[in-house]
Amino acid sequence: DGGITQSPKYLFRKEGQNVTLSCEQNLNHDAMYWYRQDPGQGLRLIYYSQIVNDFQKGDIAEGYSVSREKKESFPLTVTSAQKNPTAFYLCASSIEPPGNPYGTYNEQFFGPGTRLTVL
Amino acid sequence: AQTVTQSQPEMSVQEAETVTLSCTYDTSENNYYLFWYKQPPSRQMILVIRQEAYKQQNATENRFSVNFQKAAKSFSLKISDSQLGDTAMYFCAFILSGDMRFGAGTRLTVKP
Repeated sequence: DGGITQSPKYLFRKEGQNVTLSCEQNLNHDAMYWYRQDPGQGLRLIYYSQIVNDFQKGDIAEGYSVSREKKESFPLTVTSAQKNPTAFYLCASSIEPPGNPYGTYNEQFFGPGTRLTVL
Repeated sequence: AQTVTQSQPEMSVQEAETVTLSCTYDTSENNYYLFWYKQPPSRQMILVIRQEAYKQQNATENRFSVNFQKAAKSFSLKISDSQLGDTAMYFCAFILSGDMRFGAGTRLTVKP
């Protein structure tokens, strides 16, 4: 089955520790994204990547880092510099790089999410 | 910067009735995409419907349809014949050149 997987589903971290959230897709999508969701708010973009070895900061990139060494994988590291990391994190991908307003398939497909709790 | 506003934090509807969720957005661009996503209690984001801004015809997907008013920058979602499984958070989203913005969401409850 094609899709996006995120692991783990639940993650607990002690203050001061870095932690990495996994995101893998087998949809052959070019673009991948990381969002943060807090209660009562919509999704906020952390980072996105249009192609391998390239990524751009979103609105709330501070305290986070990413890598895109493979097309299928886009891991997110939550560093100790992130002051309030407890949240629900969603990974997404889209079939073609954004920036093509006449493309047909700009919708984003989402993974099941990871709930991160800092103890 | 693009912004998306959903002015109804919570709504409820009786099963089999029709409900409309509101969404407005702000952009100076002319070509973009708009989406409605559904997030049930499982928290999996599911695409409900998509609208390309260069198309004048309103998108329809089975019981879901939109009222896209480009000049007014309005993109409402109508759910007909509401079902219990429609209970979820609904997010309006706007995308332009990789910059996807979400509204804060509307929590819809379908009552039996």
